[in-house]
Amino acid sequence: EDQVTQSPEALRLQEGESSSLNCSYTVSGLRGLFWYRQDPGKGPEFLFTLYSAGEEKEKERLKATLTKKESFLHITAPKPEDSATYLCAVLRDNYGQNFVFGPGTRLSVLP
Amino acid sequence: DTEVTQTPKHLVMGMTNKKSLKCEQHMGHRAMYWYKQKAKKPPELMFVYSYEKLSINESVPSRFSPECPNSSLLNLHLHALQPEDSALYLCASSQDGPGGTDTQYFGPGTRLTVL
Repeated sequence: EDQVTQSPEALRLQEGESSSLNCSYTVSGLRGLFWYRQDPGKGPEFLFTLYSAGEEKEKERLKATLTKKESFLHITAPKPEDSATYLCAVLRDNYGQNFVFGPGTRLSVLP
Repeated sequence: DTEVTQTPKHLVMGMTNKKSLKCEQHMGHRAMYWYKQKAKKPPELMFVYSYEKLSINESVPSRFSPECPNSSLLNLHLHALQPEDSALYLCASSQDGPGGTDTQYFGPGTRLTVL
């Protein structure tokens, strides 16, 4: 069965304390992996799309990487405004536009 | 511009009411989506429209009725809802079609409360 998991479920960091969030997937034919950030009560905000193993993308303090089994979202020197839930989602071959979402990681960055 | 707009932001309705949620995008995207999201859970796909035709219906109860009047607009008509239907309803769009990226862009959502 196709599955996407994320760890940890929740993470508390001090401002400036770098860390990584994990998204592991077992799907039949990965077409793309997507990272979103979601603030409470708001819609997910697109961060990155990764299509093939070895691909990396960066944006400000965030860097996303992809292997054949998992993706990491590295957060360097986080700030309190980085506090949010981070969702990963995958698209699979032969399943059209049907995302499979992971459960999310709730990140809190303390000043 | 990657903006998807949704109205209203908040909606409170009784179980006998009829209401509609609206979604609009002007990015030229040809695929549009409705999702339902409960607290501390990821979004759940409800419907997908591709080129203004319904392509996916994830076994959603008939009290939810989607409509795509044109390529920029997506409506969700609500009737005889239950309290358990209270949630954040999200609209999204993507390019779809040959050469298009698969990235879905989400709107801010409508917070629905059913009394």
